[in-house]
Amino acid sequence: GQQLNQSPQSMFIQEGEDVSMNCTSSSIFNTWLWYKQDPGEGPVLLIALYKAGELTSNGRLTAQFGITRKDSFLNISASIPSDVGIYFCAGQRNDMRFGAGTRLTVKP
Amino acid sequence: GAVVSQHPSWVICKSGTSVKIECRSLDFQATTMFWYRQFPKQSLMLMATSNEGSKATYEQGVEKDKFLINHASLTLSTLTVTSAHPEDSSFYICSARVSGPGTYEQYFGPGTRLTVT
Repeated sequence: GQQLNQSPQSMFIQEGEDVSMNCTSSSIFNTWLWYKQDPGEGPVLLIALYKAGELTSNGRLTAQFGITRKDSFLNISASIPSDVGIYFCAGQRNDMRFGAGTRLTVKP
Repeated sequence: GAVVSQHPSWVICKSGTSVKIECRSLDFQATTMFWYRQFPKQSLMLMATSNEGSKATYEQGVEKDKFLINHASLTLSTLTVTSAHPEDSSFYICSARVSGPGTYEQYFGPGTRLTVT
């Protein structure tokens, strides 16, 4: 099946630092999406990417759809405490598959 | 973005009973909804794809007679966990697909925490 490798698994950073996480796959995807999940909540869509090479921003978040269509990254600039949570990448072709998640901890 | 609701947000039931979870798309029509299961500190595992007006498509290893899915309308899908056991305790999350020319997005409900005692 379509496997997504998301890294890093977890990150511990200081408030104000920038964060970068990525997802790679051996398969090509038509769409890449990035979600954030807070404890006890459902995932919330952050950014959706539809074209290879596309770079999209949402506030302090920036994500890119890799040229090969097999990878994507998410950057968070100037992190704040409320950025804490689990970030999931998702790739869509026939259906949607999720990465294992990146658990982000921000120390004030 | 599109809004998806789930009810109940949490439920505790006794072993052997059945539990129904509702998933609604509030401001759009969804011909396709998805049901996921999530264990602590793990990613989302797709259980089944719910199609309005037809039978659900279950992922390998998911018992369709245990997890009954009904997508009766364009805004409502239900998941019934039949004869629940403690190992069915988990966080169940639904999502609805919004797709159009050149776009594909899935919006998630807030989840339902099921505890079977």
